Amino acid sequence: EMQLVESGGGLIQPGGSLRLSCAASGFTVSSNYMSWVRQAPGKGLEWVSIIYSGGITYYADSVKGRFTISRDNSKNTLYLQMNSLRADDTAVYYCARDGYNSRVGAFDIWGQGTMVTVSS
Amino acid sequence: DIQMTQSPSSLSASVGDRVTITCRASQSIASYLNWYLQKPGKVPKLLIYAASSLQSGVPSRFSGSGSGPDFTLTISSLQPEDFATYYCQQSYSTPGTFGGGTKVEIK
Repeated sequence: EMQLVESGGGLIQPGGSLRLSCAASGFTVSSNYMSWVRQAPGKGLEWVSIIYSGGITYYADSVKGRFTISRDNSKNTLYLQMNSLRADDTAVYYCARDGYNSRVGAFDIWGQGTMVTVSS
Repeated sequence: DIQMTQSPSSLSASVGDRVTITCRASQSIASYLNWYLQKPGKVPKLLIYAASSLQSGVPSRFSGSGSGPDFTLTISSLQPEDFATYYCQQSYSTPGTFGGGTKVEIK
């Protein structure tokens, strides 16, 4: 069964850093386009970042320069390093696989989500 | 950035009703349009990709159509498990923007 399992969320003070992990099973992270999508409490979905199979990365303007997407092929795991966190970064963060190499992503597999709360 | 506008933002319908949700992109996105369903507290689920292709395992009462800027998601006969929020998403270019969502509620 193909699955994504996230970890690393929690409560963090403004300005702090956090690294989210997304462990994949049943498929290879490095062979797929992988993204992070977030959802603030009571709000809609917001695309955050993508890493292509070739390693190229893109970010939403709201996180550019603060967040870094990466992967560890040996661990079959996707990461999101989040620095200079702000209150408006508070959200459930999902990792997701693009099942169809659809440029930016048609996400057929999602993790269960990990909550990040930025508050003093 | 490409803006995605969904309408309506909410609707009330009864079991068995035919339901249509529309999504408009701020520019042409060819057929790079996907539809998701999300129930409260749950993970989004892919229903339709590439505007009209049904994701494996999704019931055939769901269908998608359109190209360019205008797209439609249709539920031919609404079932109790379909009451949820639906999102469109363009996958034509980064950022992969989502629509604001359409909440389908029980009448």
